[in-house]
This record gives sequence, C-alpha cells and structure tokens, in this order.
Amino acid sequence: DIQMTQSPSSLSASVGGRVTITCRASQSIRSWLAWYQQKPGKAPKLLIYDASSLESGVPSRFSGSGSGTEFTLTISSLQPDDFATYYCQHYNPYSALTFGGGTKVEIK
Amino acid sequence: EVQLVESGGGLVKPGGSLRLSCAASGFTFFNARMSWVRQAPGKGLEWVGHIKNKFDGGTRDYAAPVKGRFTISRDDSKNTLYLQMNSLTTEDTGVYYCTTDRFEGNNETPYFDSWGQGTLVTVSS
Repeated sequence: DIQMTQSPSSLSASVGGRVTITCRASQSIRSWLAWYQQKPGKAPKLLIYDASSLESGVPSRFSGSGSGTEFTLTISSLQPDDFATYYCQHYNPYSALTFGGGTKVEIK
Repeated sequence: EVQLVESGGGLVKPGGSLRLSCAASGFTFFNARMSWVRQAPGKGLEWVGHIKNKFDGGTRDYAAPVKGRFTISRDDSKNTLYLQMNSLTTEDTGVYYCTTDRFEGNNETPYFDSWGQGTLVTVSS
C-alpha cells in the first residue's frame, strides 16, 4: 500500500497568517490527491481534489499544489473558522486508497 | 442538498455483529457509488469499503482489515446503504461515516465528496 505522511502533525498559527501543510506519498500518485478539513465532532469536508482543484463552495484562501510524491495545502490567510484537522488522501488506482495521519491547526 | 444519515451504532461485545444503515436523500442514489469510512477515537481516517451502482455491476471492494468480516449492501428502493459487521474486535471501535464516491475518468478509486454525521460503534466486553 502507498503510505501518506503528513507534516507537521500539528501547528500553531495566528489569524491572518499563512499556513502550509505537506503530504508525501511513498510512491508516485501523479495528481490523485484530495484534502479534507475536519472540525471536532464533525464529519470531514472535501476541500481540494486532483491535488489543486478547489471544491465548489470552498473559500479561495485554500489552495493545493504538487504532483508525484510531494503535495502541499496552503491557507493564505488563516481565519477563525479554519482551526481544524486536515487530512490528505490518495486515490491512485493501482493501490488501496489511504489517508495521511492528519495535521491539527491550532490557534497561536 | 445531499443528506446522509447513519444509524445503527452502539455497544457490542467482541465477536458480535452489528448492522449500520445510511439513509440518503438529495441526489440520485441508484446512480451513486458509496463508501464507508471509519475513524477510531482520537485517530485518523480509514476507508472500510465501497459499492458500485447496479449499472456498474454493483461490485464491492473492502480494505484488508475488514475483508471477510464486513459486507456492504444497498437497497436502491429505499435509498439506503448498509454495512453488516461480523466478528467484531476492539480494533473496529470508532465512528463510521457513510460517503458518496467521486471518481475521475478511468480511475475507479474514489475520493469522497459528501459525508454523513457518523455513527459510533463501540466494541467492548
């Protein structure tokens, strides 16, 4: 199976700040990557698919980039509503889909 | 608006069985491919399995930890997805989410664009 490694596992940031989360795949997944946001006690929400495509209704301060084995999720100007845990997920058709371990974004 | 409402969770002893349901509305359920994703307490997300629609053969696929113990089914007349869980162990404890699958072109491995609120399964003696 392809392993997805997120870093950091947690971070503290200020409102208005820029946040970057990295997701690394153990082998190439081309652009078959999605990002989700999960708030405590709630279901995850799809943010980004195909590594860089913004899901409808998601604010434009969220962006994704990368291909192959290294990917990033960037929040350009952190808002109070963005404090949550973020997960990446690959959907390479040649391997069972897996999620990263998550990155918790907390208030500084 | 897509709505997915899970039910059927609860406390069950190791070795026991449980059936979860997911009532779907707001979209054409019989056309949809659906998955179950779970989350152990304080842990990350884990895909459990999925089922295609009948037009695509209705085939099912499962993650290795649940293969042979869990069965996904669907009743398109009731817009309902099911997860039958047998031979449960403490490792199966967690919140179980029902999701709608989205897939791109010829890649049939999905990502998940709508999620239910989840139902908690606790396996404990």
